[in-house]
Amino acid sequence: SQQGEEDPQALSIQEGENATMNCSYKTSINNLQWYRQNSGRGLVHLILIRSNEREKHSGRLRVTLDTSKKSSSLLITASRAADTASYFCATDAGSQGNLIFGKGTKLSVKP
Amino acid sequence: EAQVTQNPRYLITVTGKKLTVTCSQNMNHEYMSWYRQDPGLGLRQIYYSMNVEVTDKGDVPEGYKVSRKEKRNFPLILESPSPNQTSLYFCASSLWRPNSAYEQYFGPGTRLTVT
Repeated sequence: SQQGEEDPQALSIQEGENATMNCSYKTSINNLQWYRQNSGRGLVHLILIRSNEREKHSGRLRVTLDTSKKSSSLLITASRAADTASYFCATDAGSQGNLIFGKGTKLSVKP
Repeated sequence: EAQVTQNPRYLITVTGKKLTVTCSQNMNHEYMSWYRQDPGLGLRQIYYSMNVEVTDKGDVPEGYKVSRKEKRNFPLILESPSPNQTSLYFCASSLWRPNSAYEQYFGPGTRLTVT
């Protein structure tokens, strides 16, 4: 049961530019999380935003959540080549703590 | 160092030969989960466990078994592997409390090929 859908599927930008990725989901959620995955490696947690929050910041990351539109966005400001990775949103809709992941956005940052 | 470890990291096997992929975490987490990742399909949950002796099916449990006899370990068992189980497998763990949200910590992955 795929809940989140990221958009775009792939994004290519130059170093220093901002990168915006979007996530849409279908049902009500408790929270939404963003993860990063470097090629073939384990996912790393970036940020968690609860359903009663609208915006959250962590370093160069800014996440917004619009529960009325069932969507979230991840903004990476002043991107670096090291930000090249796939980014996944994951939603938590139940009480068991299970996350449902989207298919990811593949970000390429060119030096 | 807080971590989730998986073994083996790479495995090539033949159809029908039983195998076990181990997962261990050192963070005293209650929750553990197995995912498989396939191109174009993203991460799909196989099984999860909210505590010792408590396991439940995820979205794609067919052909897999798990057990949770100790809090730190959550092995994934393929009793009779088939080529459609060729995939990249991830184990993850997190704290767990009812109706609370926690980040998941992922292992480095196990790349399995079944011929």
